[in-house]
Amino acid sequence: GQSLEQPSEVTAVEGAIVQINCTYQTSGFYGLSWYQQHDGGAPTFLSYNGLDGLEETGRFSSFLSRSDSYGYLLLQELQMKDSASYFCAVIKAAGNKLTFGGGTRVLVKP
Amino acid sequence: EAGVTQSPTHLIKTRGQQATLRCSPISGHTSVYWYQQALGLGLQFLLWYDEGEERNRGNFPPRFSGRQFPNYSSELNVNALELEDSALYLCASKRGQGVRNEKLFFGSGTQLSVL
Repeated sequence: GQSLEQPSEVTAVEGAIVQINCTYQTSGFYGLSWYQQHDGGAPTFLSYNGLDGLEETGRFSSFLSRSDSYGYLLLQELQMKDSASYFCAVIKAAGNKLTFGGGTRVLVKP
Repeated sequence: EAGVTQSPTHLIKTRGQQATLRCSPISGHTSVYWYQQALGLGLQFLLWYDEGEERNRGNFPPRFSGRQFPNYSSELNVNALELEDSALYLCASKRGQGVRNEKLFFGSGTQLSVL
């Protein structure tokens, strides 16, 4: 099987930086994705790491290290609208299903 | 371009009944995924359809079933409803099974409540 572990909740203030770690126990996957979901909303794609290293998209960056079975999502210059749940996910070649972690709820305070 | 649409938005059923949830993918997308999200929890994979065929299913009992139509829209059926089936059911689509960058586009979901 495969499992992805994330912290359940993180609280930070506006303007701060938050790092959400995702550790996994699986192999043979294409890459690591991150999705954002606001309360009552649909998950939306944030980023994808197919190769090891850092991918930067505006205030958000994502990192993958296959050798360490580890990735993270970095949220910079936090804004109130960043309060949401963030999910890491992997897809394996066999079965083509996207498996999600349990999600990290980020609460941004003024 | 219209996004992934799901209907109904909310559905209330009683134990033992059957529920049918519908999903229309983004135009040009052939793959449809179904996920269950219980309150405050992560997304649990239910089913994957591509080109009209069921390609994979998650660890759910057979009373969870579905199909994909020639226009790539999809239907999820849940028979003999149980209280623990109460959850948000999310549908997602992507261009095809050959796309490695697995960017899924999600609908807003159907909130199923079983009383």
